[in-house]
Amino acid sequence: GDSVTQMEGPVTLSEEAFLTINCTYTATGYPSLFWYVQYPGEGLQLLLKATKADDKGSNKGFEATYRKETTSFHLEKGSVQVSDSAVYFCALRKGAHTGGFKTIFGAGTRLFVKA
Amino acid sequence: GAVVSQHPSWVICKSGTSVKIECRSLDFQATTMFWYRQFPKQSLMLMATSNEGSKATYEQGVEKDKFLINHASLTLSTLTVTSAHPEDSSFYICSASSGGPADGNEQFFGPGTRLTVL
Repeated sequence: GDSVTQMEGPVTLSEEAFLTINCTYTATGYPSLFWYVQYPGEGLQLLLKATKADDKGSNKGFEATYRKETTSFHLEKGSVQVSDSAVYFCALRKGAHTGGFKTIFGAGTRLFVKA
Repeated sequence: GAVVSQHPSWVICKSGTSVKIECRSLDFQATTMFWYRQFPKQSLMLMATSNEGSKATYEQGVEKDKFLINHASLTLSTLTVTSAHPEDSSFYICSASSGGPADGNEQFFGPGTRLTVL
């Protein structure tokens, strides 16, 4: 079945370091891909998304490119801040034409950024 | 962005009792709501999808008689855990969407409810 695999955390970085959180997926059809972020005590928020191959999603300095050939959607940021400390979830969603309106999540990766 | 609230944010109950969790879309009409369950350090697992005014669609392996879902209005869905047992202890998260079953319709997530069954 469809699934999302992302790197285990926690990831601990110093401020201004480069961030990569790996995400790969297994899915039939053509899913849309998402990154969500969950700050302490809050709900999940959409960070960025890409709906087709080679699309790049970007927001708040984060970016990820939909790579169909490697079935990946790695999250990157060039210079992290303490305020980026949160849990990041990679997810895929397929529309009605490919089997239903469902979002499948990875396990989440906790990021700690030290000042 | 759109706001989804959940109540309560945490609940502790005795084994055998029932617990109701509310999910509300505060500033939009949610035609579709989703209920997820999250175990520590694990993925969010979809339990069921509900559309306003119709019966919920449960995922394989989810007991519909144990996890009762009611989506009575466009702004409110409830999840009732009946005869709760310690293995039902988990983090329950709802999300809501204003669109239909199509790619790109964003889901807005509530903050979650932590249920502990003693």
